[in-house]
Amino acid sequence: AQSVTQLDSQVPVFEEAPVELRCNYSSSVSVYLFWYVQYPNQGLQLLLKYLSGSTLVKGINGFEAEFNKSQTSFHLRKPSVHISDTAEYFCAVSKVQGGSEKLVFGKGTKLTVNP
Amino acid sequence: GAVVSQHPSWVICKSGTSVKIECRSLDFQATTMFWYRQFPKQSLMLMATSNEGSKATYEQGVEKDKFLINHASLTLSTLTVTSAHPEDSSFYICSASPPGPYNEQFFGPGTRLTVL
Repeated sequence: AQSVTQLDSQVPVFEEAPVELRCNYSSSVSVYLFWYVQYPNQGLQLLLKYLSGSTLVKGINGFEAEFNKSQTSFHLRKPSVHISDTAEYFCAVSKVQGGSEKLVFGKGTKLTVNP
Repeated sequence: GAVVSQHPSWVICKSGTSVKIECRSLDFQATTMFWYRQFPKQSLMLMATSNEGSKATYEQGVEKDKFLINHASLTLSTLTVTSAHPEDSSFYICSASPPGPYNEQFFGPGTRLTVL
């Protein structure tokens, strides 16, 4: 069975500082990996996804993530955060399979950007 | 593209009543829709997977008679919380997945249900 671990439940940073949100997954099969952002009282918005190919994935809002198969990690990074990046971030994994496969989410990381 | 809407965005109801939440894919056909429940400051918990024209598949521990799911068309799925009780108060989020190999899900904005 697949699982996702987000090691940090909360990450406070100052504006314009770099940030890394950590995500590790466990799966015995090939997977697709996703990062979603959730603003208060809203649904989830896709930041980026890894399906295949280059291990460095660039997403929206200046975020990027690197797929590391040997370490089974998919950490999310941004070189300089803004106040508006304050939100909950979820890492998710699904199996490589034809058709729709359910996502398994991590518990989320609350990013707080302080002025 | 790939917009998913939910209606209503919030609802307050009395204990014992039923509430219907709609999930629509606005610009694509969704062969599969998913329903999630999210408690405050927690992750999304998958409740059920629904495929157009067939019965929903419920996750373990989710009462299918309490959470009725209908996926009557390729753009609409509904979740009905029957005989709602205060413990059913939660944030309900749907997602829709178009045909294709990548399993990408597009999420609705969520519905806040409060049962008094």
